[in-house]
Amino acid sequence: GNSVTQMEGPVTLSEEAFLTINCTYTATGYPSLFWYVQYPGEGLQLLLKATKADDKGSNKGFEATYRKETTSFHLEKGSVQVSDSAVYFCARPYGNNRLAFGKGNQVVVIP
Amino acid sequence: GAGVSQSPSNKVTEKGKDVELRCDPISGHTALYWYRQSLGQGLEFLIYFQGNSAPDKSGLPSDRFSAERTGGSVSTLTIQRTQQEDSAVYLCASSLATEGRRYTFGSGTRLTVV
Repeated sequence: GNSVTQMEGPVTLSEEAFLTINCTYTATGYPSLFWYVQYPGEGLQLLLKATKADDKGSNKGFEATYRKETTSFHLEKGSVQVSDSAVYFCARPYGNNRLAFGKGNQVVVIP
Repeated sequence: GAGVSQSPSNKVTEKGKDVELRCDPISGHTALYWYRQSLGQGLEFLIYFQGNSAPDKSGLPSDRFSAERTGGSVSTLTIQRTQQEDSAVYLCASSLATEGRRYTFGSGTRLTVV
C-alpha cells in the first residue's frame, strides 16, 4: 500500500539532547517524502521535504535523509530546544494530490 | 487572506445535531482539502476540491458527511446527525495547483459531540 509508519508514543527529552523520530514508508517507486510540524494551537506546517532517493531535507536545524535501502526518512536534530516541542508528522503523496500522514509523534522538550 | 482560516475554532454539539465547519483558503489557492485528526490517529483524508473539477469525496466516512466549495473559495464541511465518534479536529488545507503537496493548513476546528 501507500502508507507511512511512525514510531509509537510521545518523546520526552531534555534541552540540548539529540532527537530522532523514525519514519518508514511503503511505496512502489520513489515518492517525495515530507515532515510536517504542528506547534501547540497552530495548523500543520511543512518542516522539510526530499524529492528523491538519497536527498537530504533540512530546516531549522532538523534533517532527514531519504534512504531507499531501508525505505526510511527519519527526522533528526542534534540539539533540541524547548521551542521544538510540537507534534511531528511524516507524510508521503498518494492518489490525486493527497498526502498520507503517519500518526504523529508528540515531542516534549524539558528545560 | 494571509493564511487558511477555519471557524469555529471549537464546537461542542449534542449528539444528533447537525454542524457546519467553515474553511477560508489562501486567496489564489485552487486546491482545498479536508482532513480529520482523531486522538491517537494520523490525519485521515476526507475530501479534495481542485478548481472547477468534481470533488474527490472518496474519504468521507459516511453519507452524513458532505462538503461544498462555493465560487472556488470558501468551503463548508457539514456533518448531519452527529455521533460521538465524529469528535475530532477537522483540518482544512489549501495549495496552489502547481504545488499540490505543499499544503498550508488552518488551525483546525475541534469538534466535540456530547
